[in-house]
Amino acid sequence: QKEVEQNSGPLSVPEGAIASLNCTYSDRVSQSFFWYRQYSGKSPELIMSIYSNGDKEDGRFTAQLNKASQYVSLLIRDSQPSDSATYLCAVEVEYGNKLVFGAGTILRVKS
Amino acid sequence: DGGITQSPKYLFRKEGQNVTLSCEQNLNHDAMYWYRQDPGQGLRLIYYSQIVNDFQKGDIAEGYSVSREKKESFPLTVTSAQKNPTAFYLCASSIDRKQPSTGELFFGEGSRLTVL
Repeated sequence: QKEVEQNSGPLSVPEGAIASLNCTYSDRVSQSFFWYRQYSGKSPELIMSIYSNGDKEDGRFTAQLNKASQYVSLLIRDSQPSDSATYLCAVEVEYGNKLVFGAGTILRVKS
Repeated sequence: DGGITQSPKYLFRKEGQNVTLSCEQNLNHDAMYWYRQDPGQGLRLIYYSQIVNDFQKGDIAEGYSVSREKKESFPLTVTSAQKNPTAFYLCASSIDRKQPSTGELFFGEGSRLTVL
């Protein structure tokens, strides 16, 4: 079983819609979770971090964490064509030592 | 401006040659990492270092070597023992705080290695 799993997509949504990206993880003791955005040919950049169960909002982005279900998601409201990218879910393992990344979900926002 | 600098951006190598990828950071971060990215596989950890003169193997360390002689530098050598080295290599750094851990990684722009 992979440590961090994501649907590879592509996920296609129309401009202005809500994009929902999902991630599951296997390490029950993980405490820190991250969403990175990666444009084609570029390096990843952090867009959201979440440490506690529930929702965390930052502008058009909302991260949701459910540790009991080992599930973390990212919602993008009012999706824009510039949001088209690969979204990587990352989970901290070995308490503070390293991040494990999922394979990423490709998001395409169509205008 | 603070950041992470990787070089070269593009590198071509003949089979059997060792190559070294440079990574320098001026963020004063303690921890540095090397990841490899292949299409459809996300990022896989090669090596990481939390302090000068110390480093640990990641999930795919075979065929690679690193050194951490200075806090700001963490070069990666891809040796001839690495059977499939063509990939996008990403260097990253982070503040190494365990309590609470931030975990945020700052990435360089990457080095794309192609074996001819």
